Amino acid sequence: DTGVSQNPRHKITKRGQNVTFRCDPISEHNRLYWYRQTLGQGPEFLTYFQNEAQLEKSRLLSDRFSAERPKGSFSTLEIQRTEQGDSAMYLCASSLSGRNTEAFFGQGTRLTVV
Amino acid sequence: QKEVEQDPGPLSVPEGAIVSLNCTYSNSAFQYFMWYRQYSRKGPELLMYTYSSGNKEDGRFTAQVDKSSKYISLFIRDSQPSDSATYLCAMRYSNDYKLSFGAGTTVTVRA
Repeated sequence: DTGVSQNPRHKITKRGQNVTFRCDPISEHNRLYWYRQTLGQGPEFLTYFQNEAQLEKSRLLSDRFSAERPKGSFSTLEIQRTEQGDSAMYLCASSLSGRNTEAFFGQGTRLTVV
Repeated sequence: QKEVEQDPGPLSVPEGAIVSLNCTYSNSAFQYFMWYRQYSRKGPELLMYTYSSGNKEDGRFTAQVDKSSKYISLFIRDSQPSDSATYLCAMRYSNDYKLSFGAGTTVTVRA
């Protein structure tokens, strides 16, 4: 499968615990994005990488959230001290650089904070 | 007011009917317009991608963009039960890469 891969697919955690999600983009894609989707809503942008550089972060990304993309390949999204409001689907997408490009999404990681 | 408005439905049609979906938006600076299909508990799958105004057809799918009215549409001809999903419109600015999504319209095609 050469699409965007996300792990784990599901994560249940207790409030206050830290969680980390991984995204492996399509191999030749140098742009990588994280989005969050809650029930009944469209995805909302969280952050964006071009290669290893994190170029933009949404105000939705509180200081409990951190994302990395070492070596410009896979990316991780960590949430510290999880809260029930963090329960959502976390989606990763990747694309090529250039103006006329399309973003392809992974299957997402569904987080439930209990 | 949200940047991108989309009626959440739900929309239920018989098999073979034409499904008509639409979104409106507030910022005339959006230049790229997309439609994604999302099955339950799955990631969004890109269906159609258009730049600026005009029509684009791909098989049973037709996307229309009317920038003067800030209105985009997706039509699905000869709908099938396998088309039952949530359809998300998305758009972005020319020099930006993040997408602004509508809330999604849930479609059920009855066999």
